[in-house]
Amino acid sequence: GAVVSQHPSRVICKSGTSVKIECRSLDFQATTMFWYRQFPKQSLMLMATSNEGSKATYEQGVEKDKFLINHASLTLSTLTVTSAHPEDSSFYICSAARDRYNEQFFGPGTRLTVL
Amino acid sequence: DAKTTQPTSMDCAEGRAANLPCNHSTISGNEYVYWYRQIHSQGPQYIIHGLKNNETNEMASLIITEDRKSSTLILPHATLRDTAVYYCIVRLYFLGNTPLVFGKGTRLSVIA
Repeated sequence: GAVVSQHPSRVICKSGTSVKIECRSLDFQATTMFWYRQFPKQSLMLMATSNEGSKATYEQGVEKDKFLINHASLTLSTLTVTSAHPEDSSFYICSAARDRYNEQFFGPGTRLTVL
Repeated sequence: DAKTTQPTSMDCAEGRAANLPCNHSTISGNEYVYWYRQIHSQGPQYIIHGLKNNETNEMASLIITEDRKSSTLILPHATLRDTAVYYCIVRLYFLGNTPLVFGKGTRLSVIA
């Protein structure tokens, strides 16, 4: 099946710093990618929809100025957590919709810990 | 997308069949039933999907009732590696570029 990678797999940072997470579709093009957040023992919560070449669409309650999303190519979307705080500590997961197919593939996730 | 209801947790003995139920009584005629699972600290993994006929692949079988208001995911011979949270999702098939919306799922524990 199609492969989606995320980098880094885990990151620890100090409060107030910014962290960038990359999501790549390795063997297919993805006009649309999605970013989810998952807190311990909870389900995945959609944060935003990322479309190549246009602005991301954020879910209600997600601060677009804090969670910057860039989808500059058909295989790469990035999520930047700006001025991270301990409450931003979470498991961040991306998924990519394979163009012309009705399929979505998930990345392995990125564990962010803000100290 | 129609709402789904799943039990919070289930146990299954290793080597036995795991039967995971899902209720989706408000499903519409053109909505499919999808199953994903998430092993601890990993991204979700696609398992199977179906419209009204029963489906089987190398991972599992999906049994959908005739009225389509409920379905059952069957793992025929559960192993310890099948321990995960299983999500039943109902959505339109031809909207592949819309996000999957996850409920709380069923936490399946396979016991040796």
